[in-house]
Amino acid sequence: ETAVFQTPNYHVTQVGNEVSFNCKQTLGHDTMYWYKQDSKKLLKIMFSYNNKQLIVNETVPRRFSPQSSDKAHLNLRIKSVEPEDSAVYLCASSHGTLANSDYTFGSGTRLLVI
Amino acid sequence: GQQVQQSPTSLVLQEGENAELQCNFSTSLNSMQWFYQRPGGSLISVFYNPSGTKQSGRLTSTTVIKERRSSLHISSSQITDSGTYLCAMEPGNMGYKLTFGTGTSLLVDP
Repeated sequence: ETAVFQTPNYHVTQVGNEVSFNCKQTLGHDTMYWYKQDSKKLLKIMFSYNNKQLIVNETVPRRFSPQSSDKAHLNLRIKSVEPEDSAVYLCASSHGTLANSDYTFGSGTRLLVI
Repeated sequence: GQQVQQSPTSLVLQEGENAELQCNFSTSLNSMQWFYQRPGGSLISVFYNPSGTKQSGRLTSTTVIKERRSSLHISSSQITDSGTYLCAMEPGNMGYKLTFGTGTSLLVDP
C-alpha cells in the first residue's frame, strides 16, 4: 500500500516531557512536510524537507526539531512540551513543490498535553 | 492578517441542495488546491486547480488566479458530503508549503 503513515495516532503526556512522532511515505515523493492543526482547525506549515534537506522552517519554537534520515522519513521531536502544543500534527508528502495534485496527507497524530 | 479567506464559515443544507464555497487570497499565488476533511480524519485532495474550471462528478472548481479567488460548487449534496472543506494556496514568492484557509464546515441533513 502506498500512502503516508504516521505513528502514534494519539499521545497524552505531561508538561515538560519529550515526545517523538514518526512519519513515513511509500509514494516515492521527494518532499515531506509537518503541519500543525489547532483546535480551530487552522492548518499551519511547520517544516518542509526536500531530499533530506530542510527547505522551510516557519516560526516554530526551538523545542520542535524535525529529523530526516532519508527522503521517505520525516520525524518530529518536541522537547519539553507545553500546553499550547496540544494539537493534531499532520505529515504530508509531494513531488517537489506543488506542481501537481499528488499532495498526500497522513492521518495525523493527536497530541494532548496535560 | 489571514492570507486565505474562506466563506461561508459553516453551511447547513438539506440533501439535494447545491452549495457554493468561496476562497479568496490576499497575496499572489502560484496555484491552489481544495481539500476535504472528515471529523477526526485525514485531508483528502479534492481538486488541484491552478486556473480555470475543473469538474469531477458533482463537484466543480473554478479558479481565477488574476483575481485571487477560487470556488467549489457542490451540486445535489449528499449526507456523505458533510465535513470540512479547506482551500490552500502555494504562495507566489516561495514553494514547498501550503497556506490554508480556516475552512467551511458543511453539514448535509437528510
